[in-house]
Order: sequence, then C-alpha cells, then structure tokens
Amino acid sequence: QVRLLQSGAEVKKPGASVKVSCKASGYTFTSYYLHWVRQAPGQGLEWMGIINPTGGTTRFAQKFQGRVAMTRDTSASTVYMEVSSLNSDDTAVYYCARVRTELGPFDYWGQGTLVTVSS
Amino acid sequence: DIQMTQSPSSLSASVGDRVTITCRASQTIDSYLNWYQQKTGKAPKLLIYDASSLQGGVPSRFSGSGSGTDFTLTIGSLQPEDFATYYCQQSYSTPLTFGGGTKVEIK
Repeated sequence: QVRLLQSGAEVKKPGASVKVSCKASGYTFTSYYLHWVRQAPGQGLEWMGIINPTGGTTRFAQKFQGRVAMTRDTSASTVYMEVSSLNSDDTAVYYCARVRTELGPFDYWGQGTLVTVSS
Repeated sequence: DIQMTQSPSSLSASVGDRVTITCRASQTIDSYLNWYQQKTGKAPKLLIYDASSLQGGVPSRFSGSGSGTDFTLTIGSLQPEDFATYYCQQSYSTPLTFGGGTKVEIK
C-alpha cells in the first residue's frame, strides 16, 4: 500500500535549520510529484513547494524562496525539505503529500512532522 | 495569488443532517478544486477532486459541485465519523492555496 513515512519531531532554536524527510513506499517513486504543506498550531494549511522526484526540479511559494530547499534521493525513495533561519512562526506540523499530476490533488499524505522553534 | 474563501468557518449539526459548505475562489479556477477532511491530530484526507469526482473509498454521502469561482461540498446525511474540519484547495495555479477551513461540530 502507498505510504509516506516522515521523520520524527524536532525542536530547534531560532536561527537554526531543520531537515525533514519523507520516505515513499508502495508505488513508483519517480511517477509522482511530492509537495510540502505546513500547518501552524490551530491554523489552516499552507503550501510550501513541490519537487519532481525524476529530475529534482523544485518550485516554491514566494514567501519560502531562499529559505527552503527540497532535495531527493531516488535510491532511497526519499525526499527532504530543509528550512533555514527558523523563527517562532515556523513552529508547525510539516506534511509531505503526493500528487499524480504536477499540481494535485494530494491523494496521499505523510503523517506529519512537528517542528517546534523555541529558545 | 488565488484567495480561497470558505463559509461558514464553523457549524453545528446533528447526525443525519444534510450539511453544505461553500468555497469561493478570487478568480476562475475552472474545476480545479479539491476538498479534504482533517480530523484532530491527523493528516488531511482527500474527499473530492476536480470539483465533483469522488476519491476512491470515500462514502457516497459526500458530493461536490461547482465550477469557475463557486463550489460546494455536501454531506448528504451526517455521520458521527464526519465531525471534522473541511478544507477546499485550488490546484489551478501556484501558489496552491487552501480555504480557511470549516469545522463541523456536534449539535
């Protein structure tokens, strides 16, 4: 069955970086794009960006450009999302989500990774 | 950016009620509109894609309609497991954007 397994919760200090992983299984990794979406505590969903696992090309929401990187390891069927210069507003649950066509819909989601930014 | 506006932001309903949630886009998005259900502490789950197509495994009491800028999610007969927050999302262009959510609570 399709599964997206994310890495565990993180606690980081302001100014630090965090790298979250999303390991795919149950389907051909390079046949689906992967997106990252985050959700601050008690808030709605915010799209961050997309990575094409085939070529590694990425596209980001403007507010994250320059501060977020997305990479992939096709041999491990894993994508990574790194956020740098963390601040308290980055405290959120980060989700990876799969799409068949570039822009969606999101048919499978990871379980989420809580990133807490606190001094 | 395309703004997605959901209404109401919350509602109280009883088991068996028919529930309707609306979503309006700030510009036309054709039928590139998806609906998700999210329960507390869980990832969202796809219910409806392309405005009116039911995702596999989703009960038929869920239905979607609309095109252009105005869309509707209907739950035909609310069940206990349907109490959750519902989000619309446009997949017409980046940045992909979501509505603010509608929390469906027990009356």
